[in-house]
Amino acid sequence: DTAVSQTPKYLVTQMGNDKSIKCEQNLGHDTMYWYKQDSKKFLKIMFSYNNKELIINETVPNRFSPKSPDKAHLNLHINSLELGDSAVYFCASSPGETSEDSSTDTQYFGPGTRLTVL
Amino acid sequence: AQTVTQSQPEMSVQEAETVTLSCTYDTSENNYYLFWYKQPPSRQMILVIRQEAYKQQNATENRFSVNFQKAAKSFSLKISDSQLGDTAMYFCALDSTLKLVFGAGTILRVKS
Repeated sequence: DTAVSQTPKYLVTQMGNDKSIKCEQNLGHDTMYWYKQDSKKFLKIMFSYNNKELIINETVPNRFSPKSPDKAHLNLHINSLELGDSAVYFCASSPGETSEDSSTDTQYFGPGTRLTVL
Repeated sequence: AQTVTQSQPEMSVQEAETVTLSCTYDTSENNYYLFWYKQPPSRQMILVIRQEAYKQQNATENRFSVNFQKAAKSFSLKISDSQLGDTAMYFCALDSTLKLVFGAGTILRVKS
């Protein structure tokens, strides 16, 4: 069973379009994240949600809007795509305060979505 | 601000030998966690090992172990008996404020 899944795995689109990436976790975790990995492989956090509430927004352009319909899902919608948005986007989740051990902060990653903007 | 530095962009090792990847970090927090993640060509991010800062004992996971020097803010990863499947990019990461801050990564190539 896939723990953290993302769809689609590959996304090729034209500049100016709007697209969404979906993320689901079946681990019962409270906290979910979006990270961006650029062409130089550098990973940086974009957003974090805890129990459907936004807790971290790392100065991401407001063209990026995360949405968490429930604590198992965190989707990323991107408006007016630009060339610089081309990257791999990773979803992750961590147990949060529901963890019974000290693994609260351990984050488990999805397979990534490679977004290419032409 | 929290930072993570990996000073070795690339390393290579012969199969069955031991290799150590370096990582230094900076944080003003007292409670934090440190991680090593592996990213093979498949691009999946795989947790290798984790260390709680309050624990003095170095974490080990099979062939993977860390040398955690809290005062020096150093967190190196040792891979023993290297295998071809260990070829990947390795990221050191720090978590003290509910987000992971990553280093730039080290590409490790295991040669047969």
